[in-house]
Amino acid sequence: DAKTTQPNSMESNEEEPVHLPCNHSTISGTDYIHWYRQLPSQGPEYVIHGLTSNVNNRMASLAIAEDRKSSTLILHRATLRDAAVYYCILSPLQGAQKLVFGQGTRLTINP
Amino acid sequence: NAGVMQNPRHLVRRRGQEARLRCSPMKGHSHVYWYRQLPEEGLKFMVYLQKENIIDESGMPKERFSAEFPKEGPSILRIQQVVRGDSAAYFCASSISRGGLYEQYFGPGTRLTVT
Repeated sequence: DAKTTQPNSMESNEEEPVHLPCNHSTISGTDYIHWYRQLPSQGPEYVIHGLTSNVNNRMASLAIAEDRKSSTLILHRATLRDAAVYYCILSPLQGAQKLVFGQGTRLTINP
Repeated sequence: NAGVMQNPRHLVRRRGQEARLRCSPMKGHSHVYWYRQLPEEGLKFMVYLQKENIIDESGMPKERFSAEFPKEGPSILRIQQVVRGDSAAYFCASSISRGGLYEQYFGPGTRLTVT
């Protein structure tokens, strides 16, 4: 399984942008980059995914490096509700569909 | 559209008893996944099922654990003769299809405590 590397923890202030980095230097050409998050005592929640181009949705933006060896999840205006563990996961287009969760980044939002 | 439903939300079993965890996928989803999260650890994949078929069980412990997704009804994760080390949160997810293009939707989990 292709591996990702994320900082263990990050901290930000409410209403400020947050940039969560992820390195995936061994990504293959058909791997999608997914981001999920897990709020305290809840199941994981899909955030966003992309392949090559940057992606935006109502929750976040995903910026993917040109060589695809890294990506950044951007929360444009963090709220207290965004405090969670964020997971960056590679998932192949074909084949095994299991999600391989690493340790993720624990994001703390200060009021 | 109801999300993924899991029941029970909390389950307490004594050592040696059986635990049955149920998962109803989102409407229209035919792919179900089970994950386990041990206390203070990350989520680990256990098994991936489609209706009446186990597609990938590479994360299932070799003994005491089994899973099914029958033609009718919810997916069931069964743990026989539970031990204290089985205490964990068990999450079910569903997706509409396979492949990296499709996100998985997770249920709220079943928290199993073995006493």
